[in-house]
Amino acid sequence: NAGVTQTPKFQVLKTGQSMTLQCAQDMNHNSMYWYRQDPGMGLRLIYYSASEGTTDKGEVPNGYNVSRLNKREFSLRLESAAPSQTSVYFCASISRGQGTEAFFGQGTRLTVV
Amino acid sequence: QQQVKQSPQSLIVQKGGISIINCAYENTAFDYFPWYQQFPGKGPALLIAIRPDVSEKKEGRFTISFNKSAKQFSLHIMDSQPGDSATYFCAATFSYSSASKIIFGSGTRLSIRP
Repeated sequence: NAGVTQTPKFQVLKTGQSMTLQCAQDMNHNSMYWYRQDPGMGLRLIYYSASEGTTDKGEVPNGYNVSRLNKREFSLRLESAAPSQTSVYFCASISRGQGTEAFFGQGTRLTVV
Repeated sequence: QQQVKQSPQSLIVQKGGISIINCAYENTAFDYFPWYQQFPGKGPALLIAIRPDVSEKKEGRFTISFNKSAKQFSLHIMDSQPGDSATYFCAATFSYSSASKIIFGSGTRLSIRP
């Protein structure tokens, strides 16, 4: 049981390049979220998808787009990478059992030069 | 009103000691309070969680204390071990319609000295 799988694990981009971060979950959750983690700033929500076919902006959406391809997959795209987007990106699959709990992937460490 | 304030930013504890991390929130709509543990190079993982109708929850060496009237909650790690060295995040959550709101604290880097 893989849980939440993110690819790639590491990436270096030049300013202006584009890329897509992939995320897949096998826990049959409806909701999936994308976060970025920066030193001293905790986890900030970029975009989320409450269910298949829906996406919404989070706290820091500028410079990003998302696609909820199906129930399992939720991708994050950087159209024109900027140095300010250097960060560690986490995808999370959200469970709404007795309470809201997030199950995270291992992260993608992105450096934009 | 949506913030969760976490302190301290970093903490050093001797092996065998008690580690205490504190969080405070404002929004009374939050209905679930999980703690996450993150090791370097890994994603955060759920450690322990509590609902606001309970004042304390214990799982092994980890205990959450919850004070609803003060809107504060804390994580206590008893008999702290070097393997507990990690970054800890508190969170506050609530669900609405088909979505959920999760607000994370800024994190505490815990180091346990052998």
